[in-house]
Amino acid sequence: AQTVTQSQPEMSVQEAETVTLSCTYDTSESDYYLFWYKQPPSRQMILVIRQEAYKQQNATENRFSVNFQKAAKSFSLKISDSQLGDAAMYFCAYRSAGGNQFYFGTGTSLTVIP
Amino acid sequence: DAGVTQSPTHLIKTRGQQVTLRCSPKSGHDTVSWYQQALGQGPQFIFQYYEEEERQRGNFPDRFSGHQFPNYSSELNVNALWLGDSALYLCASSLGQGWNTIYFGEGSWLTVV
Repeated sequence: AQTVTQSQPEMSVQEAETVTLSCTYDTSESDYYLFWYKQPPSRQMILVIRQEAYKQQNATENRFSVNFQKAAKSFSLKISDSQLGDAAMYFCAYRSAGGNQFYFGTGTSLTVIP
Repeated sequence: DAGVTQSPTHLIKTRGQQVTLRCSPKSGHDTVSWYQQALGQGPQFIFQYYEEEERQRGNFPDRFSGHQFPNYSSELNVNALWLGDSALYLCASSLGQGWNTIYFGEGSWLTVV
């Protein structure tokens, strides 16, 4: 089974600064998707960014970007110009191209310091 | 555009009891997946329903069962509740089984005492 590892249980960042959250995964598949989801105190999981494994170009969504290293099976999330509203749990997730289920990591709790 | 809605928001049950959780998918979505999120953990896949049938199942015992209705809404049933079933139960919807983005509801908090 695929596994997703987030080695940083907690991270903090000063407002307006940049922070990077780490994620590694283990798979023998060549075609898959990777995601970062944000879970604020409301508990609703919100999609932050998505990366298709067959694309070499790193995905970017406004202040959020990823560093996808397929050979190293690494998928980090960079948040630029951090805002107070970015404070939340962040989950890295994997889904194989031919499967239906998402595999999630254990999450990183991000605190934004004013 | 209504998102994924779940009910109830919170509930408390006693060991051995049965519980039913409900989910209405996002408008236009026909596939519903259920996840269990224990405290301090990431969500774990329970099962997925498409065309009123269970299509894929995670590593959960038969005490966990579900149903999908013709209007695409879904129920999660858990029988013979254990203390370890206490968790946030998340419903996620998508369009079709292979869609690579899912949308989550706010979850149902289940506490088993």
